[in-house]
Amino acid sequence: NFMLTQPHSVSESPGETVTISCTRSSGSIDSNYVQWYQQRPGSSPTTVIFDNNQRPSGVPDRFSGSIDRSSNSASLTISGLQTEDEADYSCQSYDGAEHVVFGGGTKVTVL
Amino acid sequence: QVQLVESGGGVVQPGRSVRLSCAASGFTFRNSPMHWVRQTPGKGLEWVAVISKGGNNQYSADSVKGRFTISRDNSKNMLYLQMNSLRAEDTAVYYCARDTGFWSWFDPWGQGALVTVSS
Repeated sequence: NFMLTQPHSVSESPGETVTISCTRSSGSIDSNYVQWYQQRPGSSPTTVIFDNNQRPSGVPDRFSGSIDRSSNSASLTISGLQTEDEADYSCQSYDGAEHVVFGGGTKVTVL
Repeated sequence: QVQLVESGGGVVQPGRSVRLSCAASGFTFRNSPMHWVRQTPGKGLEWVAVISKGGNNQYSADSVKGRFTISRDNSKNMLYLQMNSLRAEDTAVYYCARDTGFWSWFDPWGQGALVTVSS
């Protein structure tokens, strides 16, 4: 099994851009799709990005996802940061052996 | 609307058992693989187990293998997690979640059920 490593926290001012990384410890990041989940305090997770870079309907285009093979990582970028974006964000993928892997989560603080 | 509602959480002593239930509505339950995911207070998400659409195939995390069993009743639109030999480290909020495809993204998630393992 591999691990997905995320920064513990990031913070930025409203209107700015934040990028959260999700680094895969072994195997190629593009072996399996990466998803990103948002979890606001006291709520259940919801999907903001699936299949590396796809947005479910209803998710603003301020949210975008990408893959970087050179760093073996996925990234979630939130542009035009808003106070409502303050939440925990977790990446998720599969290990190809019928197991699901989550990153440790990143707390986004809007200053 | 598409909805998942968990029940069955509570306080249980170490070594004892508890069964969580997840009631599904608003979609064709038998067409979706289903997962259980847990979250330790203040910590990240941890995948627990998955069951195939028909219930014939189940896979679980190494941390719960041999102790937890995932099952489903498609006639009742119900998902279950039987948790045996509980340990303090199993204390968490347990979410059920629909797999939108085949090893795809999770949507929706239930509201979660808190299981506290304590003497």
